[in-house]
Amino acid sequence: DGGITQSPKYLFRKEGQNVTLSCEQNLNHDAMYWYRQDPGQGLRLIYYSQIVNDFQKGDIAEGYSVSREKKESFPLTVTSAQKNPTAFYLCASTPTGSNQPQHFGDGTRLSIL
Amino acid sequence: DAKTTQPNSMESNEEEPVHLPCNHSTISGTDYIHWYRQLPSQGPEYVIHGLTSNVNNRMASLAIAEDRKSSTLILHRATLRDAAVYYCIPFEGGSQGNLIFGKGTKLSVKP
Repeated sequence: DGGITQSPKYLFRKEGQNVTLSCEQNLNHDAMYWYRQDPGQGLRLIYYSQIVNDFQKGDIAEGYSVSREKKESFPLTVTSAQKNPTAFYLCASTPTGSNQPQHFGDGTRLSIL
Repeated sequence: DAKTTQPNSMESNEEEPVHLPCNHSTISGTDYIHWYRQLPSQGPEYVIHGLTSNVNNRMASLAIAEDRKSSTLILHRATLRDAAVYYCIPFEGGSQGNLIFGKGTKLSVKP
């Protein structure tokens, strides 16, 4: 079945360490997104990409980096510069320029050791 | 971006209809109204969307006010699996295309 796969489901980071969250989709969608969700809050946009080799910062990009080398993949790196990384991270995709729904993965929960 | 207002929480009994309201008085003429829901520890799931006319699908119905300043998501027979946070999101789907999530309405369903 088509969908979005995020891995790992749970991730622990040590102080000063960079970690990378994986997001893969087989829906042939052009646009992909990374959101962060804190407890009891809505989602906030970190980065998005509408086409391979191009991406833009969202509302809270500081301390994060992304790449989009393949259409199917949009990994997110949480760098040591992100001082409060503990959160639930969600990846989504959608066909570009449409009003079609976004499809979400099941998320990665990141915690600090 | 259009601002939305939803109740923080609502309760329903199993197998009864549920009407989840949303005010979006600043919605633009080109914004669709999207509804998503999020179960605990899962990603959001698309429920339904519409522009002006009422919409139905297998999950729910969406009733949109004539002035488009409010809408209501209708679950015809609530089940325990419908317990989730429901988000109402005006969305144009333009060049940026990201959804702006508020805090939504937490729906509890009692057996």
